[in-house]
Amino acid sequence: AQSVSQHNHHVILSEAASLELGCNYSYGGTVNLFWYVQYPGQHLQLLLKYFSGDPLVKGIKGFEAEFIKSKFSFNLRKPSVQWSDTAEYFCAVNAQGSGTYKYIFGTGTRLKVLA
Amino acid sequence: DTGVSQDPRHKITKRGQNVTFRCDPISEHNRLYWYRQTLGQGPEFLTYFQNEAQLEKSRLLSDRFSAERPKGSFSTLEIQRTEQGDSAMYLCASSLAGVNTGELFFGEGSRLTVL
Repeated sequence: AQSVSQHNHHVILSEAASLELGCNYSYGGTVNLFWYVQYPGQHLQLLLKYFSGDPLVKGIKGFEAEFIKSKFSFNLRKPSVQWSDTAEYFCAVNAQGSGTYKYIFGTGTRLKVLA
Repeated sequence: DTGVSQDPRHKITKRGQNVTFRCDPISEHNRLYWYRQTLGQGPEFLTYFQNEAQLEKSRLLSDRFSAERPKGSFSTLEIQRTEQGDSAMYLCASSLAGVNTGELFFGEGSRLTVL
């Protein structure tokens, strides 16, 4: 069965600090990987996604993520965070060719950026 | 607005009552998902449809929960004999099936409070 682990539950950073949020998944086959963001009072929105090809993917608002297959990881990064990045971030996985099209989400990381 | 819409946005009910939530997906999307989210947790998969067919339902889901998508457009999620543990945000999402599973587009959610 698929599962997703996000080890950082709460992160507090000052503006301009660099960000890296960890995401590990468990599934032996090919996966599609996603990062979603939920700003306060808003619905979940896609930040970026990986299907295949270049393992370094770029998303909106300066975010990027790197897929490392050997580590089953898909960590989210941003070189310099802004106060407006305060939100909850969720990693999600969808297994290709598994006969199911459900998406499994991690428990989320709550990021607070101090101005 | 052509996004995913959910109704009602908030529902307060007494234990033992039945509640129904409605989701209208993005019109051309053929997959529709229901998730449940509680505080501090990521979205938990409940069920999904492709067109009108319910393809998968979480094995952890009580038989008090039922979902339909009768004409392959809107969907309803009914919870019978509600319990306090059912209090959560119920999220609907839709996607367009393709070669690579597309991204999920989420609605604002329906918040259920069971007294």
